[in-house]
Amino acid sequence: GAVVSQHPSRVICKSGTSVKIECRSLDFQATTMFWYRQFPKQSLMLMATSNEGSKATYEQGVEKDKFLINHASLTLSTLTVTSAHPEDSSFYICSAWDRGGYTFGSGTRLTVV
Amino acid sequence: QQQVKQSPQSLIVQKGGISIINCAYENTAFDYFPWYQQFPGKGPALLIAIRPDVSEKKEGRFTISFNKSAKQFSLHIMDSQPGDSATYFCAASKAGGTSYGKLTFGQGTILTVHP
Repeated sequence: GAVVSQHPSRVICKSGTSVKIECRSLDFQATTMFWYRQFPKQSLMLMATSNEGSKATYEQGVEKDKFLINHASLTLSTLTVTSAHPEDSSFYICSAWDRGGYTFGSGTRLTVV
Repeated sequence: QQQVKQSPQSLIVQKGGISIINCAYENTAFDYFPWYQQFPGKGPALLIAIRPDVSEKKEGRFTISFNKSAKQFSLHIMDSQPGDSATYFCAASKAGGTSYGKLTFGQGTILTVHP
């Protein structure tokens, strides 16, 4: 089946630095990638939708200058958390639609100290 | 109108019992209704999904029941096992062109199956 590879699985960074998270579709072309954030014991909240070759669409309340999304190819989308602060600590998950349904990455646990 | 409401928030079941989780939606344009299982520290994994042209779908121990008129759908886990202990999310989306748009998730149900 379809696989989305997400890296890194966990990262700890200092406050004020930037962190890049990568999602690759391994055996299919992901025209659209969805980025979610999940706080402990809560549901997945959609942050943005990225389309290959065009600007991402951000959900209301999500700062596009803080969460930079690049979808330069049909198999790679990246999320960069810029100038990270402790409140950005969360579980970030990407997802893409393949013919059989949505496939999710394994998630990235970001801890900002 | 984009909300999907899920209940219960948590569920405790004995091994071998039936686990039932319910979801309700408002947007009649939704036409894809999946259920996901998530273990701590992992991304969600698709369990089973249904489209509104059928009222029930069964895959192994997992069954989705779908009631289009009531705008409700539910997940039944038969012969629940301790390994089924996880968080379950219902979701919904609608087709857009040749693909599907964003998923709207329910709030999640923490299932605990006691041995």
